[in-house]
Amino acid sequence: KQEVTQIPAALSVPEGENLVLNCSFTDSAIYNLQWFRQDPGKGLTSLLLIQSSQREQTSGRLNASLDKSSGRSTLYIAASQPGDSATYLCAVNSGATNKLIFGTGTLLAVQP
Amino acid sequence: NAGVMQNPRHLVRRRGQEARLRCSPMKGHSHVYWYRQLPEEGLKFMVYLQKENIIDESGMPKERFSAEFPKEGPSILRIQQVVRGDSAAYFCASSRRTSNSYEQYFGPGTRLTVT
Repeated sequence: KQEVTQIPAALSVPEGENLVLNCSFTDSAIYNLQWFRQDPGKGLTSLLLIQSSQREQTSGRLNASLDKSSGRSTLYIAASQPGDSATYLCAVNSGATNKLIFGTGTLLAVQP
Repeated sequence: NAGVMQNPRHLVRRRGQEARLRCSPMKGHSHVYWYRQLPEEGLKFMVYLQKENIIDESGMPKERFSAEFPKEGPSILRIQQVVRGDSAAYFCASSRRTSNSYEQYFGPGTRLTVT
């Protein structure tokens, strides 16, 4: 059974810092992995999707990497801003029926 | 191109009533997924539907919950005889089957409160 874990559960950094969020999964047989952002009381915004054949994806200040063999993904945020404050979720798609298995999230606070 | 739409955004029901949650996928998307986020818990998959077909309902509670995605109109998640434990945020997502990506796009959610 696929399980997804995210560490740390919460993170507080001063504005301008680079930071890394971690996601690990127990079954390496995945189809893809998505990173999302969720603001309080809101829906999910898709940030990056990495296919199982890819090692990384970049979008602006965000870079996500994937190491299937070790069951890990990282989300790197460069030059953090207060507007980056949100909960970040990673989700694994094991492909059988396209359902996403979510981690519990990392609550990020960027202090101005 | 409008995103995934869900309504209502907030729904209050008394115990024993029925709740109907609607989801309109993005234009061109024929795959719909429902997820539930209980208070202080993560998002959990409930059901995956294509037009007129349930593909995977492994996350649906065995009783009181049902889902449909008719040929015409939105997908509906129906909860009969609601109980307090059904209070949660219910999110719908949609995807377009392509050769390379099954990226899912999420709606804003429906927050159900059972009193």
